[in-house]
Amino acid sequence: DAGVIQSPRHEVTEMGQEVTLRCKPISGHDYLFWYRQTMMRGLELLIYFNNNVPIDDSGMPEDRFSAKMPNASFSTLKIQPSEPRDSAVYFCASSSPKILAGSGELFFGEGSRLTVL
Amino acid sequence: KNEVEQSPQNLTAQEGEFITINCSYSVGISALHWLQQHPGGGIVSLFMLSSGKKKHGRLIATINIQEKHSSLHITASHPRDSAVYICAVADGRDDKIIFGKGTRLHILP
Repeated sequence: DAGVIQSPRHEVTEMGQEVTLRCKPISGHDYLFWYRQTMMRGLELLIYFNNNVPIDDSGMPEDRFSAKMPNASFSTLKIQPSEPRDSAVYFCASSSPKILAGSGELFFGEGSRLTVL
Repeated sequence: KNEVEQSPQNLTAQEGEFITINCSYSVGISALHWLQQHPGGGIVSLFMLSSGKKKHGRLIATINIQEKHSSLHITASHPRDSAVYICAVADGRDDKIIFGKGTRLHILP
């Protein structure tokens, strides 16, 4: 398996523009997580899905952020409109835990580095 | 107060030294993860454990559930071990994963 695949790897955009980040999880993994990493706050969970259903989106900063998982092999994280404070590295991860969401080995994508000017 | 505290924040050591990175947490957990993030930015899972000890090559992870503490050890450290090591716990109350701030390790040749 190719691992978790994210695109784009880098995105530079202007404030106010819409940004869409994409993720393809490892085949067979039923959990998908979106994380954001900044120097100030480290890694933070934004949202996670189980079997394509959003389970917890309490980490999504505000209504400008939305995430979807239309099928088991694809998820998007959208920011509209983007702001400079959204600049960060966004990681997608997938796992297949036996029992609880947090008790499965996490497989991370390479990350999408977003810069909003 | 952060629910997951790592120490030290930064560590510089000579090649060959034995390295210990500590992680303390304040919540009941279902699992603890050790992650490695290289300068290029990619994150790799090193260990996931809920009790005892695990070993993989030169890396050893231990956890003491009663004391809410875990350690990551690196034996015979090498410059390629230079990375940020992140401790993360799965909160037993709501299963959310909480990350520590990471320990930046630099091994000098």
